[in-house]
Amino acid sequence: DIQMTQSPSSLSASVEDRVTITCRASQSISSYLNWYQQKLGKAPKLLIYAASSLQSGVPSRFSGSGSGTDFTLTISSLQPEDFATYYCQQSYSTPRTFGQGTKVEIK
Amino acid sequence: EVQLVESGGGLVQPGGSLRLSCVVSGFTFSSYAMSWVRQAPGKGLEWVSAISGSGGSTYYADSVKGRITISRDNSKNTVYLQMNSLRAEDTAVYYCAKVQSSSWYVCLDYWGQGTLVTVSS
Repeated sequence: DIQMTQSPSSLSASVEDRVTITCRASQSISSYLNWYQQKLGKAPKLLIYAASSLQSGVPSRFSGSGSGTDFTLTISSLQPEDFATYYCQQSYSTPRTFGQGTKVEIK
Repeated sequence: EVQLVESGGGLVQPGGSLRLSCVVSGFTFSSYAMSWVRQAPGKGLEWVSAISGSGGSTYYADSVKGRITISRDNSKNTVYLQMNSLRAEDTAVYYCAKVQSSSWYVCLDYWGQGTLVTVSS
């Protein structure tokens, strides 16, 4: 199975900060990498697919990059509604494993 | 509007069985693979299983293989998760999700609200 490792596990940031979350795969997954946002008590929401494609309706302050084993989710200017937990997921092979999550908290 | 509504969760004793259902609307169900993802209390997301649009191909996480069966009824727009030999570690919110895919990506673009399964004596 492919292991996905996110860093950091949590971070504190202020509104309008630039935030970067990284995700590393245990083997090359090309660009088969998705990012999801989950708010407390809610279902996850797709933000980015294929490493860098923005899902319809997602604000442009979210962006993704990377290929192979190393990937990044960037929020260019953190907004109050962005405080949540973010997960990466590889879709290169089954089981389609998730990272352990990164919780973004208010500083 | 795409909607996915899970049901069937509840309290079950260790070793027991439960069948989860997910009824969908707003898209051509038979054209899309479907997946189940679970989340134990206070923990992260765990991919559980997936099934192709026709139902002819199924996939499972090692942690549930042999105990859980995914199936679908395209005439009822419903995907199921039959869970047997349940263990305490199966306690989680179970989400069903629609799979969106092409030759260069696979992702979960719509999710249900989840149904809670609690395995306890």
